Amino acid sequence: AQSVTQLGSHVSVSEGALVLLRCNYSSSVPPYLFWYVQYPNQGLQLLLKYTSAATLVKGINGFEAEFKKSETSFHLTKPSAHMSDAAEYFCAVSVPGYSTLTFGKGTMLLVSP
Amino acid sequence: DGGITQSPKYLFRKEGQNVTLSCEQNLNHDAMYWYRQDPGQGLRLIYYSQIVNDFQKGDIAEGYSVSREKKESFPLTVTSAQKNPTAFYLCASRAEPNEQYFGPGTRLTVT
Repeated sequence: AQSVTQLGSHVSVSEGALVLLRCNYSSSVPPYLFWYVQYPNQGLQLLLKYTSAATLVKGINGFEAEFKKSETSFHLTKPSAHMSDAAEYFCAVSVPGYSTLTFGKGTMLLVSP
Repeated sequence: DGGITQSPKYLFRKEGQNVTLSCEQNLNHDAMYWYRQDPGQGLRLIYYSQIVNDFQKGDIAEGYSVSREKKESFPLTVTSAQKNPTAFYLCASRAEPNEQYFGPGTRLTVT
């Protein structure tokens, strides 16, 4: 079975600072990995995905993530935080041939002026 | 515009009543999903359907039921057997490979 661990339920940064949200996964086979963002009282929106192509994946809104097999990690980064980035972020894993996603518990990103 | 619609946005019910949440998609996706979201717990899978007239239980199916009579529609019924039904409910559909598209959610409050 697959699993995802997101380190830190809350992360606080200043506007303009680097954003780093951590995600570690467990999977017995090469996984697919996803990052989603959720604004209050809304659904989830896909930020980016890794599906066994390039290990550095670029997404929307300036976010990117790097798949590191040796570290079983898929951390999300953005060079410079913007106030509009304040939201909850979810990492998710699935494997080829399975139709479900397993989500982490989420990390709330707080951005201060 | 293609997408997923969920209605209503907010729903209030008395304890002991069944309630049905609507989910419709026009993305022509075969697979659809229902999740429950509680603060600090992430998303938990209730039911999913990979094709019309077929569905599977997820991790927390007890107290819920679904139907899939049409490709576009996957309604969720929260029954009186669900001990703690107050939550935010999200519907999704799937494109390959395993990328899920989410609706805006329904916040159910049972008192």
